[in-house]
Amino acid sequence: DAGVTQSPTHLIKTRGQQVTLRCSPKSGHDTVSWYQQALGQGPQFIFQYYEEEERQRGNFPDRFSGHQFPNYSSELNVNALLLGDSALYLCASSLGWGGEQYFGPGTRLTVT
Amino acid sequence: QQPVQSPQAVILREGEDAVINCSSSKALYSVHWYRQKHGEAPVFLMILLKGGEQKGHDKISASFNEKKQQSSLYLTASQLSYSGTYFCGTAPPENSGGYQKVTFGTGTKLQVIP
Repeated sequence: DAGVTQSPTHLIKTRGQQVTLRCSPKSGHDTVSWYQQALGQGPQFIFQYYEEEERQRGNFPDRFSGHQFPNYSSELNVNALLLGDSALYLCASSLGWGGEQYFGPGTRLTVT
Repeated sequence: QQPVQSPQAVILREGEDAVINCSSSKALYSVHWYRQKHGEAPVFLMILLKGGEQKGHDKISASFNEKKQQSSLYLTASQLSYSGTYFCGTAPPENSGGYQKVTFGTGTKLQVIP
């Protein structure tokens, strides 16, 4: 039973560029949430997707956008990258609103 | 608003017990507990959905006091493998219909030494 997978593992981008991160949920899960985790901090909620629509959003600017595909996988897009966007980006999946979220290994984004 | 966790850090010897607290200034619908080891993703421990509910997993258990908007995580007879940073995550009542927006605390760093 495959867990949550994310790609790529690491990414280095230049300020102003755009980036796309990918997530495949745990088998049987239909809801995907994205989090940003800065060093030494707890994960911060970005948004949550269910049935291909954004259902909840945290306090992140419109530069952060996402998408969920019919197979429940998801993408996180960040435009006009800032140095402050450097962080670990975590994807978590769950079955509906059941609440048990399973996290992927994350994508480490470095903006230079 | 971000829940507050205490203590921020704790060092235990193997076999000792610990309690980690999580407090929110807002009403809560659910509390989630996760453990994250350095360089790894957070791992789900348990979720508490009802006020007063207590859940346990091996020697790790948790309680949820809905009225006080608090949750506590209890680690008994700690093992070396318990080392890591523990996060509580909270979701408010307006999420009870679904689409939970979980807000995580700043974490409690726990180190178990031989």
